[in-house]
Amino acid sequence: GAVVSQHPSRVICKSGTSVKIECRSLDFQATTMFWYRQFPKQSLMLMATSNEGSKATYEQGVEKDKFLINHASLTLSTLTVTSAHPEDSSFYICSADDRDGSGYEQYFGPGTRLTVT
Amino acid sequence: SQQGEEDPQALSIQEGENATMNCSYKTSINNLQWYRQNSGRGLVHLILIRSNEREKHSGRLRVTLDTSKKSSSLLITASRAADTASYFCGEAGTSGSRLTFGEGTQLTVNP
Repeated sequence: GAVVSQHPSRVICKSGTSVKIECRSLDFQATTMFWYRQFPKQSLMLMATSNEGSKATYEQGVEKDKFLINHASLTLSTLTVTSAHPEDSSFYICSADDRDGSGYEQYFGPGTRLTVT
Repeated sequence: SQQGEEDPQALSIQEGENATMNCSYKTSINNLQWYRQNSGRGLVHLILIRSNEREKHSGRLRVTLDTSKKSSSLLITASRAADTASYFCGEAGTSGSRLTFGEGTQLTVNP
């Protein structure tokens, strides 16, 4: 089956620094990738939809200047948390859709645990 | 967007018993997907059911969809301790493939 990887799996950073998380589709091309955030014992909240070669679409309440998304190729999307603060500590998960929005299943990465101290 | 609801929020059963989880949603859907998540891990896709389907099976899993009630259920038969995980339903709206997830059900299967 299709595989999506994320790097790093865990990261600890100091408050005020920026962190970049990579999401790669390993054996298929993903025109659309999605970024989710999950707090402990809660569901996944969609942050943004990332389309290759165009600007990401952010969900209401998600600051686009704080969570920078770049989808420069069909196999890579990055999420950069800028000027991170402790409240940004969370589990960030990406997913990739290998169809062009026609409603097929998404393939999820293993997640990145971000801790901001 | 509003999330759907799942019930129960937590379910504890004995190995060998069946587990049923329900999911309700609010808007029209293209499809609904069930996922499993082990603690601290990503999501694993279980089953996708399209809006024109009523029931699907995959191994010990059975999913039903009632679009008139905007609800779906996931049945795991003959549960095993390894089935212990959180289970989420994600609905894909008619406009595209983005998923809106329910709150999830934490299933514990006791050996």
